[in-house]
Amino acid sequence: EAGVVQSPRYKIIEKKQPVAFWCNPISGHNTLYWYRQNLGQGPELLIRYENEEAVDDSQLPKDRFSAERLKGVDSTLKIQPAELGDSAVYLCASSSTAFYGYTFGSGTRLTVV
Amino acid sequence: GENVEQHPSTLSVQEGDSAVIKCTYSDSASNYFPWYKQELGKGPQLIIDIRSNVGEKKDQRIAVTLNKTAKHFSLHITETQPEDSAVYFCAASKGFQKLVFGTGTRLLVSP
Repeated sequence: EAGVVQSPRYKIIEKKQPVAFWCNPISGHNTLYWYRQNLGQGPELLIRYENEEAVDDSQLPKDRFSAERLKGVDSTLKIQPAELGDSAVYLCASSSTAFYGYTFGSGTRLTVV
Repeated sequence: GENVEQHPSTLSVQEGDSAVIKCTYSDSASNYFPWYKQELGKGPQLIIDIRSNVGEKKDQRIAVTLNKTAKHFSLHITETQPEDSAVYFCAASKGFQKLVFGTGTRLLVSP
């Protein structure tokens, strides 16, 4: 079974530019998460989806970040405009109702210059 | 909200030694405690987890213990090998709600 697939793996952009990340969760996993991991830190939740519904987006900086999960499968996370402080690894994870544990993707490393 | 503290931040051991990483959590309602291993350039990988109705769980060379009264849990790795070198994260959650992660422990196993 394929794991959680994220793309791109790396992205370098200039500040004030837009950027988007894509995530394909494990088939059948109805819960999808976006986490941000700053260098030397643990991941922090940005948004959690149950199927198509965002059920926890309290940590998402809504002035510049947006996310969507169409048809309850793939998801995209967008930043517009990007700031220097957005440099981090953006991790997508998924889980099923039968199992608490998450499966993480390899992440997208964003560098804003 | 939940706060998870993790110690030590770095841990160096000789191959074959045991390694112990400790975490404390603040929210007594948390009931799920996983441990993740993260290798360079990869996402965190679940290695073992424990629920609040269990005090200890073991899987080959790794084990996790949970003390609900004291609100702390620990990861134990025995007979460490160089391939165990990685960053380890503990986390806590209430059911399917968000995982709150510790700050990580960099484990280095020297041959």
